[in-house]
Amino acid sequence: DTAVSQTPKYLVTQMGNDKSIKCEQNLGHDTMYWYKQDSKKFLKIMFSYNNKELIINETVPNRFSPKSPDKAHLNLHINSLELGDSAVYFCASSAREKLFFGSGTQLSVL
Amino acid sequence: AQSVAQPEDQVNVAEGNPLTVKCTYSVSGNPYLFWYVQYPNRGLQFLLKYITGDNLVKGSYGFEAEFNKSQTSFHLKKPSALVSDSALYFCAVEFTDKLIFGTGTRLQVFP
Repeated sequence: DTAVSQTPKYLVTQMGNDKSIKCEQNLGHDTMYWYKQDSKKFLKIMFSYNNKELIINETVPNRFSPKSPDKAHLNLHINSLELGDSAVYFCASSAREKLFFGSGTQLSVL
Repeated sequence: AQSVAQPEDQVNVAEGNPLTVKCTYSVSGNPYLFWYVQYPNRGLQFLLKYITGDNLVKGSYGFEAEFNKSQTSFHLKKPSALVSDSALYFCAVEFTDKLIFGTGTRLQVFP
C-alpha cells in the first residue's frame, strides 16, 4: 500500500480553471504538508497542517486553499489557475523523525 | 525502481566534531542530487545540490556533500558541527523532473 498517495499524477488544464489535488496518507501521521517544486527543482513549502489545523502558511497566493477534512487527508484547491502555477506539487506527511512524500502531481497550465 | 536511501535514522555527534550524514541512491543516468534540512515546525530548506562538475559541493551553513558515482552516494558533511545543526536532513534525487526523497536522518549535536 502506498503510504502517501496523491491524485492525479498529471493535470493539464487551461488558464482560469479551478482544480484540486488530493492527498491521503495511511500512516497515522498528525502532520501533513504541501510543497511546490519549481522549475529549478527547488522544493518550497506552501502549507502544513497538524491534526487538521493550519500551522505553516508560507507566502502563497490566496488562490491556493488547503483543506483538511480529517488528519489523513490534505487536499489542495487552486482557483483561477495561472501559467506560473505550472509545477510539480508534492504532498507529504510526518511523524517525529520521518517525512514521507507522495509521488508528486505535475500540473501544466496552458 | 528509482530510490534514495538514508541508512541511518539518527546520527549523534559532539559539537566541534566532523559530521557525516549518509545517502545512497538508485537512479538511471546522471543524477541531480539535493540535500534539504528541516528544523522543528518548519518546512524543508534547501542546503545544496549537485548537477555536474566538481564532486565536492559546498552549500549553506558550512555544509558540503561529496558525490561518488561508483558508490552511488552523496554523503552530507560538515567539518565542525554546531548544536544549532540539530535537525532532520533529507537527501533527494531528481528523476523525470520530480524529486525522490529519502525518509530523513535526525542529526543530534551534543554540547
